[in-house]
Amino acid sequence: NAGVTQTPKFRILKIGQSMTLQCTQDMNHNYMYWYRQDPGMGLKLIYYSVGAGITDKGEVPNGYNVSRSTTEDFPLRLELAAPSQTSVYFCASRDWADTQYFGPGTRLTVL
Amino acid sequence: KNEVEQSPQNLTAQEGEFITINCSYSVGISALHWLQQHPGGGIVSLFMLSSGKKKHGRLIATINIQEKHSSLHITASHPRDSAVYICAVRLGNQFYFGTGTSLTVIP
Repeated sequence: NAGVTQTPKFRILKIGQSMTLQCTQDMNHNYMYWYRQDPGMGLKLIYYSVGAGITDKGEVPNGYNVSRSTTEDFPLRLELAAPSQTSVYFCASRDWADTQYFGPGTRLTVL
Repeated sequence: KNEVEQSPQNLTAQEGEFITINCSYSVGISALHWLQQHPGGGIVSLFMLSSGKKKHGRLIATINIQEKHSSLHITASHPRDSAVYICAVRLGNQFYFGTGTSLTVIP
């Protein structure tokens, strides 16, 4: 079991560029989440999914998009990157017992 | 909007001390979670509580639903407990997080 994997680990983007952060889980969990973590701030929910084909906005969805075509994959798309999107991004899945499993994170810098 | 407040923000303890971290929240919740974030950045789930008390090794978590308050206790603290401890609440399918308590345990 690899758990929750994220790629890439690090990325530097220029303002206006786009990219996709990949997230995959091999635990067959229906619930998946994308968070961002800024220094001195708590984790903030960007988007979440309750199953394949179903996604919904969290607290801070602006500037991001998601899709969930399979149970395993939950990619996060950044369109027109801005400096305010510099952050550490975590993907997580949640099991039936309400336990979250986090990926290792992606550190993104937008210059 | 649900607010999750943690205290203290930073905590330094001598090895062996009993540690308490507090979490309060402002609205009714489905569940409360305690997480640990290691110095390298990885996050692991420690406890999920909807009532009462849970214990795992030297860690104890309690919740008082009426007072909207939870505590995380660490007994006989050890330098390997040094980490950021995060309180999170679940409302429906969404999670809201505190800013974390940074714990340093000195040998």
